[in-house]
Amino acid sequence: GDSVTQMEGPVTLSEEAFLTINCTYTATGYPSLFWYVQYPGEGLQLLLKATKADDKGSNKGFEATYRKETTSFHLEKGSVQVSDSAVYFCALSGEGNTGGFKTIFGAGTRLFVKA
Amino acid sequence: EAQVTQNPRYLITVTGKKLTVTCSQNMNHEYMSWYRQDPGLGLRQIYYSMNVEVTDKGDVPEGYKVSRKEKRNFPLILESPSPNQTSLYFCASSQTGWEGYTFGSGTRLTVV
Repeated sequence: GDSVTQMEGPVTLSEEAFLTINCTYTATGYPSLFWYVQYPGEGLQLLLKATKADDKGSNKGFEATYRKETTSFHLEKGSVQVSDSAVYFCALSGEGNTGGFKTIFGAGTRLFVKA
Repeated sequence: EAQVTQNPRYLITVTGKKLTVTCSQNMNHEYMSWYRQDPGLGLRQIYYSMNVEVTDKGDVPEGYKVSRKEKRNFPLILESPSPNQTSLYFCASSQTGWEGYTFGSGTRLTVV
């Protein structure tokens, strides 16, 4: 079945460091890919998305490119801030059992950014 | 304000006592879904709904029921809760499913 694998955390970085969080997926068909962010005590917020191969999603300085050849959607940011400390989830939306869709999430990667 | 509203935020109950967690969205979204979040397991889909009266099982549907009688509401029902259903639950909605979800703030359920 479809699945999402992302790098284990926690990831600890100093402020202004470069961030990469790896995400790979397996899916039949042509899924949409997403990154969500969860701040402490809150629900998930959609950070960025890509709906087809070679699309680049971007938001708030974060970027991810849909790579079909490597089945990857790695999250990157050039210079992290303390306020970026959160849990990041990679996810895909694909075909469900009855012709609709289902969304599958990775296990999440916790990011700590030190001042 | 566009939002997904879940209630209650926190709930402690006893094994076997039926409960309902409500979820409502004000965006006229077609798709709604329930997830549970457990440490180290990420979010796992319990049930989802593509429209009124259309629901389907996710990855962990056992012990849960849902209904979609109105477009805006998608309650999660635990007929006989057990301690292994202690978790953080999220409701989410989406217009088509392919553009991403809007999530509620979560319901932390403890079954003793």
